[in-house]
Amino acid sequence: DTEVTQTPKHLVMGMTNKKSLKCEQHMGHRAMYWYKQKAKKPPELMFVYSYEKLSINESVPSRFSPECPNSSLLNLHLHALQPEDSALYLCASSPGTGASYNYGYTFGSGTRLTVV
Amino acid sequence: AQRVTQPEKLLSVFKGAPVELKCNYSYSGSPELFWYVQYSRQRLQLLLRHISRESIKGFTADLNKGETSFHLKKPFAQEEDSAMYYCALKSGNTGKLIFGQGTTLQVKP
Repeated sequence: DTEVTQTPKHLVMGMTNKKSLKCEQHMGHRAMYWYKQKAKKPPELMFVYSYEKLSINESVPSRFSPECPNSSLLNLHLHALQPEDSALYLCASSPGTGASYNYGYTFGSGTRLTVV
Repeated sequence: AQRVTQPEKLLSVFKGAPVELKCNYSYSGSPELFWYVQYSRQRLQLLLRHISRESIKGFTADLNKGETSFHLKKPFAQEEDSAMYYCALKSGNTGKLIFGQGTTLQVKP
């Protein structure tokens, strides 16, 4: 299995809702990432998990809450989002984060989130 | 500051013409550079890594440390090459990828 699987593919949520995005990989990768991508813009890093521990939080608002229950699974919990949070949320994984891990990321196809 | 610059938002060429997508970087250490491609309605895919010096789908990219560049080249463009191309820089041991703004390549028949 050489893929990163993200569910759901599309999500519409109200500003008072709580929802979760799910990401799964079975490549034995020990680093996983959440990125946010707006239309026609590059992906922007949100969080990095390395060996199931949060190693980078790019000053993301607390209404986004990541969770890494095990080495294959990454969740992003969403609560009280704003319309400007509407975007494509991408999950990615890589063998590791160190300098010896220069294989690049494997990206999922993303969850397209619309906040109404 | 760590930065990746792709000066062209759009590059339009005819089928069979050579293609060069420009990428310049700013990084104090030894850079690790990548090219990613995003075809319409498809996921972001790794195209090339500078470390491997490979050729994928006829594309090559050479790291030029003197000019701090990692331009992507293909001698003869195909219509199926039309896509968004991102140059990316790996930041040290953090795993963080810093993306350029992207260049849309449009190959006309």
